[in-house]
Amino acid sequence: DAKTTQPPSMDCAEGRAANLPCNHSTISGNEYVYWYRQIHSQGPQYIIHGLKNNETNEMASLIITEDRKSSTLILPHATLRDTAVYYCIVRSRRLNNYGQNFVFGPGTRLSVLP
Amino acid sequence: EAEVAQSPRYKITEKSQAVAFWCDPISGHATLYWYRQILGQGPELLVQFQDESVVDDSQLPKDRFSAERLKGVDSTLKIQPAELGDSAMYLCASSFHRTETQYFGPGTRLLVL
Repeated sequence: DAKTTQPPSMDCAEGRAANLPCNHSTISGNEYVYWYRQIHSQGPQYIIHGLKNNETNEMASLIITEDRKSSTLILPHATLRDTAVYYCIVRSRRLNNYGQNFVFGPGTRLSVLP
Repeated sequence: EAEVAQSPRYKITEKSQAVAFWCDPISGHATLYWYRQILGQGPELLVQFQDESVVDDSQLPKDRFSAERLKGVDSTLKIQPAELGDSAMYLCASSFHRTETQYFGPGTRLLVL
């Protein structure tokens, strides 16, 4: 079972920031938070990941709460091409952690509206 | 930018036939994954390879599915015989190491009639 909970759907106006929440209240100290997105009929696309500090790259920003029980993915200026299903996943990166693979939940369907 | 390649992109077959999917991971990636994604759901892991060895096939229906990565580079996933319930997207992913970020290919969409 997925270790995260996300709202099933969200809308965002084009040009505005899209803030996608994720709850991971049972996250352990060695587990990272990963975000992927999947545009219709394509493979999932890696967006960003983090452990406990906020992270930013050319696609998005990831804000992780101090207790690490939740996070928010921020798309600063959403475009129509950002319409997709967004998956939040927690996963260990410990070297001896066989079997700790990505477990995808149903994700959040983000619709960017013109 | 290096990408994971998959073929074919689409496959239509009749039930009881055999089908095969091919994946070429990003060069240098030791870990390769096959996922199945049913419409409306997230991907589910079928099998994980570390180089040429299977390290996790606990969710692979072994009576009809098989996977191989003979030289530790590209991989083939086979279904024989295909059933109606196998209709899904089959995704391949790779990572430099099993603890690292996974990168996905475009997938093969299978329709079993």
